[in-house]
Amino acid sequence: SELTQDPAVSVALGQTVNITCQGDSLRNHYVDWYQQRAGQAPLFLVYGNNVRPSGIPDRISGSRSGNTASLTITGAQAEDEADYYCKSRDKSGDQLVFGGGTKLTVL
Amino acid sequence: VQLQESGPGLVEPSGTLSLTCSVSGDSIAGSSSWWNWVRQAPGKGLEWIGEIHHSGTTHYNWSLKSRVIISVDKSKNHFSLKVMSVTDADTAFYYCARKGYIPFGDAFDIWGQGTLINVSS
Repeated sequence: SELTQDPAVSVALGQTVNITCQGDSLRNHYVDWYQQRAGQAPLFLVYGNNVRPSGIPDRISGSRSGNTASLTITGAQAEDEADYYCKSRDKSGDQLVFGGGTKLTVL
Repeated sequence: VQLQESGPGLVEPSGTLSLTCSVSGDSIAGSSSWWNWVRQAPGKGLEWIGEIHHSGTTHYNWSLKSRVIISVDKSKNHFSLKVMSVTDADTAFYYCARKGYIPFGDAFDIWGQGTLINVSS
């Protein structure tokens, strides 16, 4: 994948975790983030690098610096245990691409 | 707005996979949105398949382009996916999703619940 994510990350209950997504195309294209709980369809969390749609709690935030985008979850809760995917475009801009996904475990 | 995938759960190898996504709460013909297909092999990540606009303009994942056709039926407010010459590698959950709803840009803001397609004889 043109977007690289760590396969797995863990966080203690109530702590803060950063999930990252790297790719050269991120310098020129916005990134979105999705949460996918087990057995469910993905849920849209962040668009335009750092904008939350209504209904997404403010303990979830996005950012981008250079070729790296980050999703930060502050005060992790048990319900945050899920797979997280970034999405953007490839370097050509023609293709939509997903990162490989990060499995978040809340300890 | 809701999206709902429908289609047979089982397709024979070398056959054609056909799915439809019914849209409610939004009008494909009246919308500037793009209508997408995404798939996910069991235990794997998300893969973008392609998209269509109500004008009929399509974009496809280059790796699948030779085997995929996405079409739209504005009168029925649904869009469809065909994947030809399927193999085991096409076994996956298939999702439809809306993209481009202002101001969300490229984000997929609405997803269907997904449907599992097994390629098996």
